[in-house]
Amino acid sequence: AQKVTQAQTEISVVEKEDVTLDCVYETRDTTYYLFWYKQPPSGELVFLIRRNSFDEQNEISGRYSWNFQKSTSSFNFTITASQVVDSAVYFCALSEVQGGSEKLVFGKGTKLTVNP
Amino acid sequence: ETGVTQTPRHLVMGMTNKKSLKCEQHLGHNAMYWYKQSAKKPLELMFVYSLEERVENNSVPSRFSPECPNSSHLFLHLHTLQPEDSALYLCASSQDQQGYNSPLHFGNGTRLTVT
Repeated sequence: AQKVTQAQTEISVVEKEDVTLDCVYETRDTTYYLFWYKQPPSGELVFLIRRNSFDEQNEISGRYSWNFQKSTSSFNFTITASQVVDSAVYFCALSEVQGGSEKLVFGKGTKLTVNP
Repeated sequence: ETGVTQTPRHLVMGMTNKKSLKCEQHLGHNAMYWYKQSAKKPLELMFVYSLEERVENNSVPSRFSPECPNSSHLFLHLHTLQPEDSALYLCASSQDQQGYNSPLHFGNGTRLTVT
Protein backbone atom coordinates (compact mmCIF):
# COMPACT_ATOMS: atom_id res chain seq x y z
CA ALA A 1 0.00 0.00 0.00
CA GLN A 2 1.23 3.45 -0.86
CA LYS A 3 2.31 5.34 2.22
CA VAL A 4 2.20 8.82 0.77
CA THR A 5 -0.31 9.64 -1.92
CA GLN A 6 -0.18 12.75 -4.00
CA ALA A 7 -3.17 12.23 -6.21
CA GLN A 8 -2.51 15.25 -8.41
CA THR A 9 0.16 14.33 -10.93
CA GLU A 10 0.18 17.70 -12.66
CA ILE A 11 -1.51 21.04 -11.98
CA SER A 12 -1.49 24.07 -14.22
CA VAL A 13 -2.62 27.50 -13.03
CA VAL A 14 -2.38 31.07 -14.12
CA GLU A 15 -0.26 33.48 -12.15
CA LYS A 16 -1.95 34.98 -9.06
CA GLU A 17 -4.28 32.05 -8.66
CA ASP A 18 -4.29 30.13 -5.39
CA VAL A 19 -3.45 26.45 -5.64
CA THR A 20 -3.60 23.57 -3.17
CA LEU A 21 -1.45 20.47 -3.44
CA ASP A 22 -2.90 17.45 -1.71
CA CYS A 23 -1.04 14.89 0.35
CA VAL A 24 -2.59 11.91 2.08
CA TYR A 25 -0.47 9.59 4.17
CA GLU A 26 -0.81 6.25 5.85
CA THR A 27 0.96 5.19 9.02
CA ARG A 28 0.45 3.13 12.16
CA ASP A 29 2.91 5.17 14.17
CA THR A 30 1.71 7.67 16.73
CA THR A 31 4.92 9.64 16.32
CA TYR A 32 5.88 10.63 12.82
CA TYR A 33 7.02 13.59 10.78
CA LEU A 34 5.68 15.06 7.59
CA PHE A 35 7.65 17.10 5.09
CA TRP A 36 7.21 19.07 1.93
CA TYR A 37 10.05 19.51 -0.56
CA LYS A 38 10.20 21.58 -3.73
CA GLN A 39 12.16 20.45 -6.78
CA PRO A 40 12.66 23.28 -9.29
CA PRO A 41 13.92 22.55 -12.80
CA SER A 42 17.50 22.85 -11.57
CA GLY A 43 17.06 19.48 -9.88
CA GLU A 44 17.83 19.86 -6.20
CA LEU A 45 15.05 19.22 -3.71
CA VAL A 46 14.57 22.13 -1.35
CA PHE A 47 13.18 21.55 2.14
CA LEU A 48 10.05 23.62 2.80
CA ILE A 49 8.54 22.42 6.04
CA ARG A 50 8.61 19.70 8.70
CA ARG A 51 5.68 18.96 10.95
CA ASN A 52 5.53 16.42 13.76
CA SER A 53 2.45 14.37 14.44
CA PHE A 54 1.68 16.11 17.71
CA ASP A 55 1.48 19.55 16.23
CA GLU A 56 -1.70 20.03 14.21
CA GLN A 57 -1.44 23.77 14.17
CA ASN A 58 -1.56 25.12 10.65
CA GLU A 59 1.44 27.06 9.49
CA ILE A 60 1.84 30.04 7.25
CA SER A 61 5.07 31.25 5.72
CA GLY A 62 4.58 34.11 3.33
CA ARG A 63 2.48 32.86 0.44
CA TYR A 64 2.82 29.26 1.62
CA SER A 65 0.50 27.59 4.09
CA TRP A 66 0.07 24.05 5.29
CA ASN A 67 -3.04 22.36 6.63
CA PHE A 68 -2.34 19.29 8.75
CA GLN A 69 -5.38 17.21 9.68
CA LYS A 70 -4.79 13.94 11.49
CA SER A 71 -8.47 13.03 11.26
CA THR A 72 -8.16 12.71 7.50
CA SER A 73 -4.42 11.86 7.42
CA SER A 74 -3.78 14.80 5.18
CA PHE A 75 -1.07 17.42 4.99
CA ASN A 76 -2.07 19.79 2.22
CA PHE A 77 0.00 22.65 0.89
CA THR A 78 -1.48 25.89 -0.42
CA ILE A 79 0.29 28.55 -2.43
CA THR A 80 -1.51 31.87 -2.42
CA ALA A 81 -1.17 34.27 -5.34
CA SER A 82 1.03 31.87 -7.26
CA GLN A 83 4.00 33.11 -9.24
CA VAL A 84 5.90 31.70 -12.21
CA VAL A 85 8.84 30.94 -9.90
CA ASP A 86 6.61 28.53 -8.00
CA SER A 87 6.70 26.19 -10.99
CA ALA A 88 8.32 23.00 -9.74
CA VAL A 89 7.62 19.48 -8.64
CA TYR A 90 6.49 19.32 -5.02
CA PHE A 91 7.01 16.24 -2.90
CA CYS A 92 5.28 15.28 0.29
CA ALA A 93 7.17 12.85 2.54
CA LEU A 94 6.50 10.84 5.68
CA SER A 95 9.05 9.76 8.26
CA GLU A 96 8.02 6.70 10.24
CA VAL A 97 9.53 3.68 11.94
CA GLN A 98 9.76 0.52 9.86
CA GLY A 99 11.56 -2.60 11.05
CA GLY A 100 13.09 -0.77 13.98
CA SER A 101 14.57 2.09 12.01
CA GLU A 102 13.14 5.30 10.70
CA LYS A 103 12.30 5.54 7.04
CA LEU A 104 11.53 8.53 4.92
CA VAL A 105 8.93 7.78 2.28
CA PHE A 106 8.25 10.20 -0.54
CA GLY A 107 5.13 10.61 -2.60
CA LYS A 108 5.38 10.61 -6.38
CA GLY A 109 5.22 14.35 -6.52
CA THR A 110 2.93 16.94 -8.07
CA LYS A 111 4.21 18.98 -10.95
CA LEU A 112 2.97 22.54 -10.68
CA THR A 113 3.14 24.86 -13.68
CA VAL A 114 2.32 28.50 -13.14
CA ASN A 115 1.71 30.31 -16.39
CA PRO A 116 2.13 34.07 -16.77
CA GLU B 1 26.63 27.88 -3.85
CA THR B 2 24.50 25.03 -2.67
CA GLY B 3 25.58 23.25 0.50
CA VAL B 4 25.61 19.93 -1.35
CA THR B 5 27.55 19.75 -4.61
CA GLN B 6 27.28 16.92 -7.09
CA THR B 7 29.46 16.23 -10.11
CA PRO B 8 29.05 15.66 -12.94
CA ARG B 9 25.67 17.21 -13.68
CA HIS B 10 25.18 14.98 -16.70
CA LEU B 11 26.73 11.64 -17.57
CA VAL B 12 26.25 9.38 -20.56
CA MET B 13 27.86 5.99 -20.35
CA GLY B 14 27.80 2.67 -22.13
CA MET B 15 26.87 -0.52 -20.38
CA THR B 16 30.48 -1.66 -20.18
CA ASN B 17 31.87 1.59 -18.79
CA LYS B 18 32.96 2.34 -15.25
CA LYS B 19 32.25 5.77 -13.88
CA SER B 20 31.82 7.47 -10.52
CA LEU B 21 29.45 10.09 -9.19
CA LYS B 22 30.77 12.49 -6.61
CA CYS B 23 29.00 14.34 -3.82
CA GLU B 24 30.43 16.85 -1.40
CA GLN B 25 28.64 18.61 1.44
CA HIS B 26 29.81 21.80 3.10
CA LEU B 27 27.25 21.81 5.90
CA GLY B 28 29.06 19.86 8.61
CA HIS B 29 26.44 17.14 8.48
CA ASN B 30 27.03 13.64 9.76
CA ALA B 31 24.80 11.65 7.43
CA MET B 32 24.80 11.35 3.64
CA TYR B 33 22.46 9.60 1.25
CA TRP B 34 22.11 8.45 -2.34
CA TYR B 35 18.64 8.58 -3.88
CA LYS B 36 17.49 7.49 -7.32
CA GLN B 37 14.76 9.45 -9.07
CA SER B 38 13.14 7.78 -12.05
CA ALA B 39 10.27 9.14 -14.08
CA LYS B 40 6.84 8.48 -12.62
CA LYS B 41 8.28 6.87 -9.48
CA PRO B 42 8.80 8.08 -5.91
CA LEU B 43 12.33 8.83 -4.85
CA GLU B 44 14.11 5.63 -3.98
CA LEU B 45 16.61 5.55 -1.15
CA MET B 46 19.72 3.62 -2.19
CA PHE B 47 22.31 4.07 0.52
CA VAL B 48 22.72 5.82 3.85
CA TYR B 49 25.99 6.66 5.55
CA SER B 50 26.24 7.96 9.08
CA LEU B 51 29.61 9.11 10.35
CA GLU B 52 31.20 7.43 7.33
CA GLU B 53 29.66 4.07 8.14
CA ARG B 54 27.07 2.51 5.86
CA VAL B 55 23.91 2.02 7.86
CA GLU B 56 21.45 1.15 5.16
CA ASN B 57 21.49 -0.54 1.78
CA ASN B 58 18.09 -0.92 0.23
CA SER B 59 18.67 -4.01 -1.88
CA VAL B 60 20.57 -2.09 -4.49
CA PRO B 61 22.23 -4.15 -7.25
CA SER B 62 25.96 -4.66 -6.82
CA ARG B 63 26.67 -2.70 -10.00
CA PHE B 64 26.20 0.33 -7.73
CA SER B 65 28.98 0.64 -5.16
CA PRO B 66 29.05 3.51 -2.66
CA GLU B 67 32.08 4.89 -0.92
CA CYS B 68 32.25 7.40 1.92
CA PRO B 69 35.88 8.29 2.67
CA ASN B 70 34.93 11.01 5.15
CA SER B 71 31.83 12.76 6.41
CA SER B 72 32.00 15.40 3.68
CA HIS B 73 32.36 13.20 0.63
CA LEU B 74 30.28 10.46 -0.88
CA PHE B 75 30.85 8.55 -4.10
CA LEU B 76 28.73 6.21 -6.15
CA HIS B 77 30.81 3.91 -8.34
CA LEU B 78 29.02 2.56 -11.38
CA HIS B 79 29.91 -0.43 -13.54
CA THR B 80 28.12 -2.65 -16.01
CA LEU B 81 24.93 -0.62 -15.79
CA GLN B 82 21.70 -1.33 -17.61
CA PRO B 83 19.56 1.10 -19.61
CA GLU B 84 16.92 1.01 -16.86
CA ASP B 85 19.48 2.54 -14.52
CA SER B 86 19.10 5.79 -16.41
CA ALA B 87 17.75 8.29 -13.88
CA LEU B 88 18.53 11.35 -11.81
CA TYR B 89 20.81 10.42 -8.92
CA LEU B 90 20.49 12.72 -5.97
CA CYS B 91 22.84 13.08 -3.06
CA ALA B 92 21.59 14.45 0.24
CA SER B 93 22.90 15.13 3.70
CA SER B 94 21.39 15.73 7.12
CA GLN B 95 22.64 16.74 10.51
CA ASP B 96 22.26 13.25 11.91
CA GLN B 97 20.81 9.96 10.84
CA GLN B 98 19.28 8.98 14.13
CA GLY B 99 15.94 10.01 12.84
CA TYR B 100 14.57 11.24 9.58
CA ASN B 101 13.13 14.21 11.40
CA SER B 102 16.34 15.98 10.38
CA PRO B 103 15.60 17.73 7.09
CA LEU B 104 17.53 16.57 4.09
CA HIS B 105 19.65 18.94 2.03
CA PHE B 106 19.92 17.83 -1.56
CA GLY B 107 22.38 18.42 -4.35
CA ASN B 108 21.36 19.24 -7.92
CA GLY B 109 21.71 15.64 -8.96
CA THR B 110 23.51 13.81 -11.74
CA ARG B 111 21.41 13.00 -14.79
CA LEU B 112 22.65 9.59 -15.86
CA THR B 113 21.91 8.07 -19.24
CA VAL B 114 23.00 4.51 -19.95
CA THR B 115 23.22 3.64 -23.63
